[in-house]
Amino acid sequence: DTAVSQTPKYLVTQMGNDKSIKCEQNLGHDTMYWYKQDSKKFLKIMFSYNNKELIINETVPNRFSPKSPDKAHLNLHINSLELGDSAVYFCASSQDLGGEQFFGPGTRLTVL
Amino acid sequence: KQEVTQIPAALSVPEGENLVLNCSFTDSAIYNLQWFRQDPGKGLTSLLLIQSSQREQTSGRLNASLDKSSGRSTLYIAASQPGDSATYLCADPWGGADGLTFGKGTHLIIQP
Repeated sequence: DTAVSQTPKYLVTQMGNDKSIKCEQNLGHDTMYWYKQDSKKFLKIMFSYNNKELIINETVPNRFSPKSPDKAHLNLHINSLELGDSAVYFCASSQDLGGEQFFGPGTRLTVL
Repeated sequence: KQEVTQIPAALSVPEGENLVLNCSFTDSAIYNLQWFRQDPGKGLTSLLLIQSSQREQTSGRLNASLDKSSGRSTLYIAASQPGDSATYLCADPWGGADGLTFGKGTHLIIQP
């Protein structure tokens, strides 16, 4: 069984569109994260969720909004996509904040 | 704000050699230190987590140490194999109030 899964694996879309990326973990973890890995392969935290509450919000545009329907899911919704949003987005989870993190396989987003 | 630096940025060695990857951090009040590997086009795989109260962790041919006083962690890989070729990242899973912090990684190539 996959511990942290993301869908879709690839996402190609036009500028200005709205899209969502889904993430699910079956580890029973309390904390989930979204990271962005840019073309230079540098990983940056975007959001952290602990027990359905946003606890860390890095300086990302408000076009990005995390949505957590339950503890096992943290979806990323992006409005009005821009060229600069093209990157690989990774979801991760840990038992609690600061604990060992387990990553999903990533979603490669390409904005044309 | 925690900053994590990894040296070297790239390393190429013949198969069978023992090698050391370095990770340094600016805030000695580090909570945990986690090492990952990332294969091309893939997500991150957790290798080792050193908790704040520990000095080292071992898994197979991998040994990671943490020296909080000097702000350093090292990942030792014994008897390297071509399958070890990947990018290795260290991270402070709890980077303080500014969030979670990754280094930029060491791109490792093991020559057959």
